[in-house]
Amino acid sequence: SYVLTQPPSVSVAPGQTARITCGGNNIGSKSVHWYQQKPGQAPVLVVYDDSDRPSGIPERFSGSNSGNTATLTISRVEAGDEADYYCQVWDSSSVVFGGGTKLTVL
Amino acid sequence: QLQLQESGPGLVKPSETLSLTCTVSGGSISSSSYYWGWIRQPPGKGLEWIGSIYYSGSTYYNPSLKSRVTISVDTSKNQFSLKLSSVTAADTAVYYCAGGDCSGGSCYSSPIDYWGQGTLVTVSS
Repeated sequence: SYVLTQPPSVSVAPGQTARITCGGNNIGSKSVHWYQQKPGQAPVLVVYDDSDRPSGIPERFSGSNSGNTATLTISRVEAGDEADYYCQVWDSSSVVFGGGTKLTVL
Repeated sequence: QLQLQESGPGLVKPSETLSLTCTVSGGSISSSSYYWGWIRQPPGKGLEWIGSIYYSGSTYYNPSLKSRVTISVDTSKNQFSLKLSSVTAADTAVYYCAGGDCSGGSCYSSPIDYWGQGTLVTVSS
């Protein structure tokens, strides 16, 4: 089965840039989606199809995908961005999630 | 804008069957523009996909749960359901119903656009 690997945690100071990676075998050939989950809440889609943003998601959220790594980039990080982030792909008609990354805003 | 709401027992005994229902509002569950599914999250852990169902009636399940899972649709009530049999404490989790909009492309690459609020199901005697 397809495996997505994320770092358990990323820390960043307010105003700086956070980069959260998602590794998978030839992930660049797949569409990657990213979700933000705050404590006690359902996940929210923040980036889809590698780099597109749903309406209402700030431009500070962007994504890229190439080779074996997809990256979610959050520019000008704010305290409200502190959350768990999950990458997701489809593999053989199955949904696959990464293990999640906890973003801490210092 | 679609809205999804889970319902069902919050406590299930070991070896019994967990049953949850998701009520969809704001759109038709039988539309070819959407797919539906269930995702769970054990306390303090990550997201785990359980399975999905499509307007055609096709279902796909997580291989690790496939032998115990059934997802079905009730178009008359605009609902879809999850049944997970022979539960153990390891099945204790927040269960989310979810939906994706695949009107712009393949349902098998589209993101999960809509989530229910989630419901905690505890397996305990």
